[in-house]
Amino acid sequence: SQTIHQWPATLVQPVGSPLSLECTVEGTSNPNLYWYRQAAGRGLQLLFYSVGIGQISSEVPQNLSASRPQDRQFILSSKKLLLSDSGFYLCAWRAFGGSNSPLHFGNGTRLTVT
Amino acid sequence: QQPVQSPQAVILREGEDAVINCSSSKALYSVHWYRQKHGEAPVFLMILLKGGEQKGHEKISASFNEKKQQSSLYLTASQLSYSGTYFCGTGINAGGTSYGKLTFGQGTILTVHP
Repeated sequence: SQTIHQWPATLVQPVGSPLSLECTVEGTSNPNLYWYRQAAGRGLQLLFYSVGIGQISSEVPQNLSASRPQDRQFILSSKKLLLSDSGFYLCAWRAFGGSNSPLHFGNGTRLTVT
Repeated sequence: QQPVQSPQAVILREGEDAVINCSSSKALYSVHWYRQKHGEAPVFLMILLKGGEQKGHEKISASFNEKKQQSSLYLTASQLSYSGTYFCGTGINAGGTSYGKLTFGQGTILTVHP
């Protein structure tokens, strides 16, 4: 069966520090991968998605970047964190081309920028 | 464009029913429903893919009115475990160039009391 791992679960970082969140998927090949952010008490905002290695699309301009160095690995990064980067970050995967398949979310990373 | 959910919040007693609506200003190809418990990742409930389709999951069901560009989630005989935030996610493309992107509504907070 497929599983998705996301770490760390929580993170407290000072303003201006770098960020690296990692997500890996097991049990499937060539998944579509997504990064969502959820501000406190808010909805899910799509940040990045990827349909293959090295293929990244950004949904909103921001202080973050994403990379997909391997088929089932998705990384969210920042060179210098801002206070506004605080939030709950969720990685998700979906079967490639599967518009009729569900999104499967990781357990999320709660990031607090101080 | 983000779909609009209504109501924003619902408070129920166990055994009562609720309806959550999701409307889009764009033509929809698919509608997903997810439930999120506080501090956890969203969990998939169901997908509706074509106009008029209805699906059920225990005492939770949903309908999709493609013409009206809206979907409704029906929770009957609510249980304490139904508490959480419900999100609809809409796909506006058949999957060719959208890469299975889902745009989520702002969420509906459902609270079930004993």
